[in-house]
Amino acid sequence: DTGVSQDPRHKITKRGQNVTFRCDPISEHNRLYWYRQTLGQGPEFLTYFQNEAQLEKSRLLSDRFSAERPKGSFSTLEIQRTEQGDSAMYLCASSSQPGQTKYSNQPQHFGDGTRLSIL
Amino acid sequence: GDSVTQMEGPVTLSEEAFLTINCTYTATGYPSLFWYVQYPGEGLQLLLKATKADDKGSNKGFEATYRKETTSFHLEKGSVQVSDSAVYFCALSVMNSGGYQKVTFGTGTKLQVIP
Repeated sequence: DTGVSQDPRHKITKRGQNVTFRCDPISEHNRLYWYRQTLGQGPEFLTYFQNEAQLEKSRLLSDRFSAERPKGSFSTLEIQRTEQGDSAMYLCASSSQPGQTKYSNQPQHFGDGTRLSIL
Repeated sequence: GDSVTQMEGPVTLSEEAFLTINCTYTATGYPSLFWYVQYPGEGLQLLLKATKADDKGSNKGFEATYRKETTSFHLEKGSVQVSDSAVYFCALSVMNSGGYQKVTFGTGTKLQVIP
């Protein structure tokens, strides 16, 4: 178990530029999540994949944001025409398939995040 | 909607002091409850979890008990160390109708332990 890895760890860019982040989940996990975390707050859900299918998107995910998981393994999150308000830590998490009982919510395992700073 | 409320920080304690961080929740359905810890510049690490009422999660000397009657999941440790200094997040997870785990986090409580 090598954990969830995210790349890059830090990204500084000018307003209006496009950025792309990558997440490699734990290999046997079929569920992948993206979150955004601003200073002093908890993570806020952005989107969720089960294998390659994007099954849920938050209203926080404007049309400038797009996420993919083409082969059901790694995922990318792209932000187009970045704005000052996009500055945040972007966290990726993965989890395994839950069990059959309603009590078996599998915990999500987080990467170290990508910190985005918009100049 | 679902929500998690944590006590505001920062919490400053001397080494070997007793720690309590309060957490209460509201949820539709039957949530699982978690505590995550975040060290500076890092992502969140799962600290402990509880999946049903009266379950006690424990790890590294930390404990929390799932109290359905008071909708609480308070984090405790008998003797904190400087290395415990971090931000602690309480979270709940509910399986929605689509089979996806919707996780709601609290705002976090910063703990600073002084030697």
